Amino acid sequence: GQNIDQPTEMTATEGAIVQINCTYQTSGFNGLFWYQQHAGEAPTFLSYNVLDGLEEKGRFSSFLSRSKGYSYLLLKELQMKDSASYLCAVREASGGSYIPTFGRGTSLIVHP
Amino acid sequence: KAGVTQTPRYLIKTRGQQVTLSCSPISGHRSVSWYQQTPGQGLQFLFEYFSETQRNKGNFPGRFSGRQFSNSRSEMNVSTLELGDSALYLCASSQAPGDQPQHFGDGTRLSIL
Repeated sequence: GQNIDQPTEMTATEGAIVQINCTYQTSGFNGLFWYQQHAGEAPTFLSYNVLDGLEEKGRFSSFLSRSKGYSYLLLKELQMKDSASYLCAVREASGGSYIPTFGRGTSLIVHP
Repeated sequence: KAGVTQTPRYLIKTRGQQVTLSCSPISGHRSVSWYQQTPGQGLQFLFEYFSETQRNKGNFPGRFSGRQFSNSRSEMNVSTLELGDSALYLCASSQAPGDQPQHFGDGTRLSIL
């Protein structure tokens, strides 16, 4: 089984930088994913980390430390449209299968 | 390329009834996963199908079941509905089991009265 912990809500100012943390406990780690979900819409994939380090993709970056069971999503130059829920998900390998577990999501509010 | 299509978008049922939800994956995707999303529990994995076979199953009671057809379309069924089954049910597809990214549909909002 897995435990995934991320903050429930965060607020930030347009143009600023925000870091959303995610901690997890798992016995068969096989990748960590971040998804963005706007209210009333489907989650959309943002990033994937399987090795330690930083993955950068435009204004969004994701970091992973497997030894610490820790990841963060970094959003730079915040825009109003970045107001959404950010879901951290861990994939666990078990008996040849992959089981995904999602955190409860961090609701990010960007204000002017 | 058309995205993942879920039908219906909204559904209202009463306790004790049963319901069937449908999901058509992206063309060429053969793996379909189902999730339940509620404000209290977040996104929870129900099951995954690939090549008409259930590959993985989450921690849900037997009232929740699914199947996949030869064209990769999938259905999930919930029998003897309970108030706590009110949720957004999301379907996601990928080319193979465990692949990322998964592509999600807009979901079916199920309300139990």
